Amino acid sequence: DADVTQTPRNRITKTGKRIMLECSQTKGHDRMYWYRQDPGLGLRLIYYSFDVKDINKGEISDGYSVSRQAQAKFSLSLESAIPNQTALYFCATSAGLEAFFGQGTRLTVV
Amino acid sequence: RKEVEQDPGPFNVPEGATVAFNCTYSNSASQSFFWYRQDCRKEPKLLMSVYSSGNEDGRFTAQLNRASQYISLLIRDSKLSDSATYLCVVITGTGNQFYFGTGTSLTVIP
Repeated sequence: DADVTQTPRNRITKTGKRIMLECSQTKGHDRMYWYRQDPGLGLRLIYYSFDVKDINKGEISDGYSVSRQAQAKFSLSLESAIPNQTALYFCATSAGLEAFFGQGTRLTVV
Repeated sequence: RKEVEQDPGPFNVPEGATVAFNCTYSNSASQSFFWYRQDCRKEPKLLMSVYSSGNEDGRFTAQLNRASQYISLLIRDSKLSDSATYLCVVITGTGNQFYFGTGTSLTVIP
């Protein structure tokens, strides 16, 4: 099993719908991150959390929210999905200088 | 200005060729530097760390020039399996923020 697991792996949703992407990890890391990846733009940080009581906005947090339910779980929500949120989303964890990524969620908003 | 800038390529090289990728970073206070590899539709994974003294791992050599704020990756004797996107990563700030370049695409041709 993967150390960092994202669900769902693929999702197609309609404009205006609320959607949640989930991430769980078995690495015991305190730090968790959500990124989106778009062609030509690379990985951009949406939100990050350094422990259960710590939530921080990243570079592109507008239109997103997160919840750190436990050390091992960090979920990303799109309250009202729009087409330009179509992207590949990655969750990552870190305990120091290396980031470990989940396998990604490919989200399409139609 | 972006924290990390990379030439996106693509680089198309024959097997056995030597290829070099470059990356610049904007924050002189950045502390740690890495190259990650991302295969098509997969998650990024750590390839190697980058030090001022250079870091060599088999056919791969990474180098940091702090004065020029420049990071490089050299791949010798390219293999078909080296085809991937290579991401330059810089860690900056008291919170150990990861900043990713947009990635450089490499295709090794038979």
